[in-house]
Parts: sequence; structure tokens; C-alpha cells
Amino acid sequence: GAVVSQHPSWVICKSGTSVKIECRSLDFQATTMFWYRQFPKKSLMLMATSNEGSKATYEQGVEKDKFLINHASLTLSTLTVTSAHPEDSSFYICSASGKYEQYFGPGTRLTVT
Amino acid sequence: GENVEQHPSTLSVQEGDSAVIKCTYSDSASNYFPWYKQELGKRPQLIIDIRSNVGEKKDQRIAVTLNKTAKHFSLHITETQPEDSAVYFCAATTSNTGNQFYFGTGTSLTVIP
Repeated sequence: GAVVSQHPSWVICKSGTSVKIECRSLDFQATTMFWYRQFPKKSLMLMATSNEGSKATYEQGVEKDKFLINHASLTLSTLTVTSAHPEDSSFYICSASGKYEQYFGPGTRLTVT
Repeated sequence: GENVEQHPSTLSVQEGDSAVIKCTYSDSASNYFPWYKQELGKRPQLIIDIRSNVGEKKDQRIAVTLNKTAKHFSLHITETQPEDSAVYFCAATTSNTGNQFYFGTGTSLTVIP
């Protein structure tokens, strides 16, 4: 299957700082990427749909000014958590959409202290 | 929109026994149903999928069945092994590029040696 990378794999930051997470599709072009948040032992919660060259579509309850998404190319989408707080600590996973499947990145563990 | 329900939330089986996980969906337009396996701290991995024009699909010890009329699909794992222990997610979507996946809440499977 297709390969999707995510960077960084884990990050620890101080409260109030911003953190950028990158999601790359390495061997195919993805016009659509998805960003998920996952709490321990819980399902994937869709945060937003990232479309190349246009604004992201955010799910209800997700603050677009806090979770900034940029999809500047067909192989890269970024999620920036602005002014992070401890409650933003979570596992963030991106996926890139193929014809049928979604290909998931390895995830980023964010810890805000 | 689509609503996917998954049962049970936890499942323990003895090694060698079978495990069955069931999902229901609400949108009759959904026509692609993947199953993902996720180990702790790792990305979800596609293990099997089925499209709506097929009633059953099998891959070695794993099989999926689909009942379009009743809008439910099931994952069957036979001859379970300890390495099958993980969280399993079902999903439903329409098979158009870029359509979001609607995930079930997950089933934590434990295979007892």
C-alpha cells in the first residue's frame, strides 16, 4: 500500500507554544488528507478534511483558529496546534485518501506541559 | 450523515478460538467497508475490506461478511493467536476519492494464550 509519513513522531512542548505536525504522502499524490485525534483506547475522531489548494473543512466542535491546517501541495498537509494547552495532549494521526482506502500516517504523540 | 456502531467494545478469547466483531451502518449509500487493526501507539493497518457488490471476503484466517439489506458487516478471525490482540475498527464510506471514513468505536481484542 501507499506510504504516509508523519513528523514528528512525538513532541513535548510548553503550554502556550505552537506545534506543527507534518503529514506527507511519499509515493502518491493526495488531493485529500484527513486529520484525526485519538484518545487512549478510543476511536479515531475526525478533526478536519484537508483539501489541496483550498481551505480545510472542520468538524463540528473543532476550533479552526486553534488547529490550523494547510495543504499546500499534493503530498504535504500540516496541522499547527496554536497556543497549546495540556488538554491538547493527544495522539494525532493523519491519513491520505486513495481511490478506496485511506492510508494512515504513524501518528504524532503530543504532550503539552 | 453516516453512523457506524461497533460491538462489542471489548472481547477476550482463548487462543485458537474464533472472534467475531460486528458493525452496523445507517447510510445505504455506503459501499466500501474496511477493517483496521491498531496496536498500541501505532497507526491503524488495513487488514481486510469489502465492497457492497460482494457478500463475503476471506483472507487466510480473516473474513468479512456484509449484509446490505440489514446494513451490517462483521469481521471473523479464526484460530486466534496472541498477536491478534489489538484494537479493531470498522469503517464505512462511499468509494469516491476523498470521501471521509466513518469509524466505529473500536473493539479491544485480547487473545489469551
